[in-house]
Amino acid sequence: TQLLEQSPQFLSIQEGENLTVYCNSSSVFSSLQWYRQEPGEGPVLLVTVVTGGEVKKLKRLTFQFGDARKDSSLHITAAQPGDTGLYLCAGARNTNAGKSTFGDGTTLTVKP
Amino acid sequence: NAGVTQTPKFRILKIGQSMTLQCTQDMNHNYMYWYRQDPGMGLKLIYYSVGAGITDKGEVPNGYNVSRSTTEDFPLRLELAAPSQTSVYFCASRPGLAGGSGELFFGEGSRLTVL
Repeated sequence: TQLLEQSPQFLSIQEGENLTVYCNSSSVFSSLQWYRQEPGEGPVLLVTVVTGGEVKKLKRLTFQFGDARKDSSLHITAAQPGDTGLYLCAGARNTNAGKSTFGDGTTLTVKP
Repeated sequence: NAGVTQTPKFRILKIGQSMTLQCTQDMNHNYMYWYRQDPGMGLKLIYYSVGAGITDKGEVPNGYNVSRSTTEDFPLRLELAAPSQTSVYFCASRPGLAGGSGELFFGEGSRLTVL
């Protein structure tokens, strides 16, 4: 089983603080996705990173894919209560039926 | 577009009962997947399909069965429900290996409780 280790598992911060979530694996992925999930709903895609060393920005969110395409990070600047949710990373392959491997998620709570 | 549609959204089963979770997608995606998610955790792959007539086991297939008679539909059957199958079930799809970026499109989930 190829694992994705996500850290931290839980994060509770005050509005305005910065945070980083990490996603690490010993396996190489064709691409890596970050999803955000709210209670009672399915995961929704935030971003896909494909190229080693790639950095993508989505407003206050910055995503980075490691040079070796084995790890990734999500950095949120000036967190807001609306950022609260479960953040999931998933490694995808263009082989083996395209199965994605998910991390266990980071539950983020941003307090006003 | 409807995307991926799952039914039912909620269900309570007694131990030993059977049921089918329905999943249909209207995006003409070849690849479909069933995941389960336990509270506060990531997703574990139960079964997947790369096209009509083709299915295979994922990480946690025991106690489940699937079929894929059409591109659109991928039902998940639970036989002899057990309390360990209490979970939220997500159906997902993607276009295929050559198309798309690896993104999965998810349904809204089916919350199953086995008592």
